[in-house]
Amino acid sequence: DIQMTQSPSSLSASVGDRVTITCRASLDISGSLAWYQQKPGKAPKLLVFPASALDTGVPSRFSGSGSGTDYNLTISSLQPEDVATYYCQHYYRIFRTFGQGTKVEIK
Amino acid sequence: QLQLQESGPGLVKPSETLSLTCTVSGGSISTSSYFWGWVRQSPGKGLEWIASLYYSGGTYYNPSLKSRVTTSVDTSKNQFSLRLTSVTAADTAMYYCAREGYCANGVCNPAGYGMDVWGQGITVTVSS
Repeated sequence: DIQMTQSPSSLSASVGDRVTITCRASLDISGSLAWYQQKPGKAPKLLVFPASALDTGVPSRFSGSGSGTDYNLTISSLQPEDVATYYCQHYYRIFRTFGQGTKVEIK
Repeated sequence: QLQLQESGPGLVKPSETLSLTCTVSGGSISTSSYFWGWVRQSPGKGLEWIASLYYSGGTYYNPSLKSRVTTSVDTSKNQFSLRLTSVTAADTAMYYCAREGYCANGVCNPAGYGMDVWGQGITVTVSS
């Protein structure tokens, strides 16, 4: 199976900061990557797929990038409502796997 | 607007079978462009894909759970279901159902295209 490793596992930043979360796959997944946002007590919400395309209604401060094995989710200006845990997920092979998550908090 | 809602018992005894149903409203489950999937999240942990199923019967399972999982679709009720046998405390989790992209721009991917609509989740505890 493909391992998805996210870093950092958690971060704390100020409102307005630029925040970047990294997801590394154990092999080249050719851009077959989705990003999700999960707020406390809520179901995950699809933000980005494939790799760099925002899902409908996602604020433009979110962006995805990357290729091969390395991918980033960037929040250009962190807002209080962005407090959540973010997960990457590959869909390169049938056995889909998620990263372990990155918890984003406001400093 | 498409909505998914999980239902089933919140408490299951060890060694018994967990059975959950997801009811789809605001759209048809019999669509060629989507899978219908199950994902779980153990307390304080990350997300684990369980299975993805197609309305006409094709199914993909997480290899680590495959021997204990079965899924089904009832198109007449616009529902799909999950059964997990021989449960242990390790199966205690929030269980989500979700819609997952299958075909996009004429290209169909058995690994899907990400899960774009989720149910609110149902907490299942395995305990005697």
